[in-house]
Amino acid sequence: DTAVSQTPKYLVTQMGNDKSIKCEQNLGHDTMYWYKQDSKKFLKIMFSYNNKELIINETVPNRFSPKSPDKAHLNLHINSLELGDSAVYFCASSQDYGLQYFGPGTRLTVL
Amino acid sequence: AQSVTQLDSQVPVFEEAPVELRCNYSSSVSVYLFWYVQYPNQGLQLLLKYLSGSTLVKGINGFEAEFNKSQTSFHLRKPSVHISDTAEYFCAVSAASGTYKYIFGTGTRLKVLA
Repeated sequence: DTAVSQTPKYLVTQMGNDKSIKCEQNLGHDTMYWYKQDSKKFLKIMFSYNNKELIINETVPNRFSPKSPDKAHLNLHINSLELGDSAVYFCASSQDYGLQYFGPGTRLTVL
Repeated sequence: AQSVTQLDSQVPVFEEAPVELRCNYSSSVSVYLFWYVQYPNQGLQLLLKYLSGSTLVKGINGFEAEFNKSQTSFHLRKPSVHISDTAEYFCAVSAASGTYKYIFGTGTRLKVLA
């Protein structure tokens, strides 16, 4: 069973479009995260939810909006996509001691 | 706030040779430390973690790391590498309380040569 899953795995879209990435975890964890990995492989946290409450909101354009319908799901919606949004987006979840389990990533390409 | 420095962006090493990937961190509070590996076009896999206790931590695939509080380091080592160890390695730090958000280093590309 996949612990942290993301859909889609690949996403290719045009500038200006709106898209969503979905994340689900079946580990029973309370906290979920979104990270962005840029073309230089640099990983940076974007958001985190704990029991559906936003607890981390880094300096991210407000075109990015996370949504957590329940503690097992954390979705990322991106409005008006720009070329610079092209990256790999990773979802992660954690329970105790901050140990985070990562999903397989979603490679977003904006043309 | 925490920060992480991975001093080497690339490390080439011959197969069966030992390797050390360096990681230094900065923090005003107690920390947890992690090493993750990323194979090409794949997600992040946990290699090992330091939460507390013994400063020598053993992980998967024969890797180990030593937490050195005085030198604020958490270097990753393997006594004998294989071609299959070729990957990107990331060191991460989080505060030992609060939101536990990870701060990642910039990564070290390990290339194992035949």
